[in-house]
Amino acid sequence: QKEVEQNSGPLSVPEGAIASLNCTYSDRGSQSFFWYRQYSGKSPELIMFIYSNGDKEDGRFTAQLNKASQYVSLLIRDSQPSDSATYLCAVNEANAGKSTFGDGTTLTVKP
Amino acid sequence: KAGVTQTPRYLIKTRGQQVTLSCSPISGHRSVSWYQQTPGQGLQFLFEYFSETQRNKGNFPGRFSGRQFSNSRSEMNVSTLELGDSALYLCASSWVPGNEQFFGPGTRLTVL
Repeated sequence: QKEVEQNSGPLSVPEGAIASLNCTYSDRGSQSFFWYRQYSGKSPELIMFIYSNGDKEDGRFTAQLNKASQYVSLLIRDSQPSDSATYLCAVNEANAGKSTFGDGTTLTVKP
Repeated sequence: KAGVTQTPRYLIKTRGQQVTLSCSPISGHRSVSWYQQTPGQGLQFLFEYFSETQRNKGNFPGRFSGRQFSNSRSEMNVSTLELGDSALYLCASSWVPGNEQFFGPGTRLTVL
């Protein structure tokens, strides 16, 4: 079993819809959770981070964390074609600079 | 504020050679981590440095090494290059370990 698993893609949604990306992790000691967006040929770009259980909203993005279920998700509201990219979930242990990444979910937003 | 910078951006080497990659973190960031990204393996952790000390090392052979300087800049070295070392090497920095990391543009290494 992989340490960090993301829902298999690719995921395709129409413009304006909500895109839901999911991630589960195996290490219960994990404390920091990150979502990155990576466009083809580019490096990962941090879009959300969450440390506590619950929801965290930033513009059109909402991250949700449930440590009991070892589950973190990312919702993208009003999806735009420019959101089309690969989304990477990353998990860190407490006070550790080592991130364990999932394989990523490729999202396509169709106009 | 300037982002994470990596040099060089592209490298072509032959098997058996060695290579040194450089990373300058965001000003004020003291933690630097290195990752290897390949289509088959995804993003794999290489090293983590904080205050010139290696705190974590990923599951890579001893040919991969690194260091961090007093100004938080970091270098990684790969000796005796193999074809399988062809990858995008990414550096990420954060204030301290565990905080959100910001990635540089990467160095694309091709080994022929």
